[in-house]
Amino acid sequence: QKEVEQNSGPLSVPEGAIASLNCTYSDRGSQSFFWYRQYSGKSPELIMSIYSNGDKEDGRFTAQLNKASQYVSLLIRDSQPSDSATYLCAVNGRGSTLGRLYFGRGTQLTVWP
Amino acid sequence: DTGVSQDPRHKITKRGQNVTFRCDPISEHNRLYWYRQTLGQGPEFLTYFQNEAQLEKSRLLSDRFSAERPKGSFSTLEIQRTEQGDSAMYLCASSGRHPTDTQYFGPGTRLTVL
Repeated sequence: QKEVEQNSGPLSVPEGAIASLNCTYSDRGSQSFFWYRQYSGKSPELIMSIYSNGDKEDGRFTAQLNKASQYVSLLIRDSQPSDSATYLCAVNGRGSTLGRLYFGRGTQLTVWP
Repeated sequence: DTGVSQDPRHKITKRGQNVTFRCDPISEHNRLYWYRQTLGQGPEFLTYFQNEAQLEKSRLLSDRFSAERPKGSFSTLEIQRTEQGDSAMYLCASSGRHPTDTQYFGPGTRLTVL
């Protein structure tokens, strides 16, 4: 059974700060990693995908992947109140379960003005 | 370009009734997924289709649950003899040809079983 663990939060940061969200996964062979944002009562919305070790930047968001440590993170720079949401880390399965995503429980982020 | 759509958005039913949900994927996507999400948890995989073929089913998908995608376009998820524990958000997602392509989610159907 794959496990995806996230720091449970809640995480609270002031506007303009950097928010750091962390995720670890149990299957060393996992290859594809995703961060989704989910506003209360809404469905998950893709923020970032990452497949290779290192950093991937998209605007204010940076995803970091370290497969050796089985660790993926999301940094949000210049946090805004509109970033307040739950952030879900997701990892693809392998082999017969390649098509499915395994999700963490999410980290709730609050950005206060 | 329209995204993934789901219908209905909300469903309230009494225990023991049957319910059916529909999902229309992004038009060029041939993979379609169903997940279930309860409060405070991440989505949990239920099943997925590649075109009309159902390729994987989770153990969460008891014999009261059935999913179809008859022509490889829209999909339906039916729950028979609903139980209070079935109350959840049912999410549909679609993706391109490769299993690790990004999955895009629809708005979900929130089911409440009284």
